[in-house]
Amino acid sequence: AQSVAQPEDQVNVAEGNPLTVKCTYSVSGNPYLFWYVQYPNRGLQFLLKYITGDNLVKGSYGFEAEFNKSQTSFHLKKPSALVSDSALYFCAVRDKNTDKLIFGTGTRLQVFP
Amino acid sequence: DTAVSQTPKYLVTQMGNDKSIKCEQNLGHDTMYWYKQDSKKFLKIMFSYNNKELIINETVPNRFSPKSPDKAHLNLHINSLELGDSAVYFCASSHRQGKNTEAFFGQGTRLTVV
Repeated sequence: AQSVAQPEDQVNVAEGNPLTVKCTYSVSGNPYLFWYVQYPNRGLQFLLKYITGDNLVKGSYGFEAEFNKSQTSFHLKKPSALVSDSALYFCAVRDKNTDKLIFGTGTRLQVFP
Repeated sequence: DTAVSQTPKYLVTQMGNDKSIKCEQNLGHDTMYWYKQDSKKFLKIMFSYNNKELIINETVPNRFSPKSPDKAHLNLHINSLELGDSAVYFCASSHRQGKNTEAFFGQGTRLTVV
């Protein structure tokens, strides 16, 4: 079964510092991977995706993610965190057999001023 | 223009009642979904429809019945509501195939059963 894991419940970072939110996946074949962000009392917003091609993908709000096949990881990164980046971040994988979008358990990012 | 809209945003109701949540998308997507987000923020897929046809039906009680009158709408009807149904329900839509299969989500419906 296809799955993603987010090993950290919460990540704390100071404003201006780089941030990383971790995600590892378990899939058969080539994965379709996604990152979403959820602000309080809001729906999920799509940030970026990896389908094929360059391992470094760029997305909204200055976020990027690096697909690493050997480590089966798709970590979300940003060079300089903002307080407004504080939110809940979800990694997801599309199961190409069933078309399900399967989410990780989420990581709460807290950026301190 | 709201891409995926669901109504109502909040729903407070008593145990045993029947309620519906409506969802509409104007993105031209062929696939729509219902997700449930529990109090721990875990997201779990409930149903998926492609061109009005049910393609995913997770282990969800029969009290939950989705209805898709056309590919732009996917409504969720819940019978005999129970306390454990309290959660946030998200509607989403996407293309089923190709490179643009990212899902777009509605703002959620917070259901509270008392």
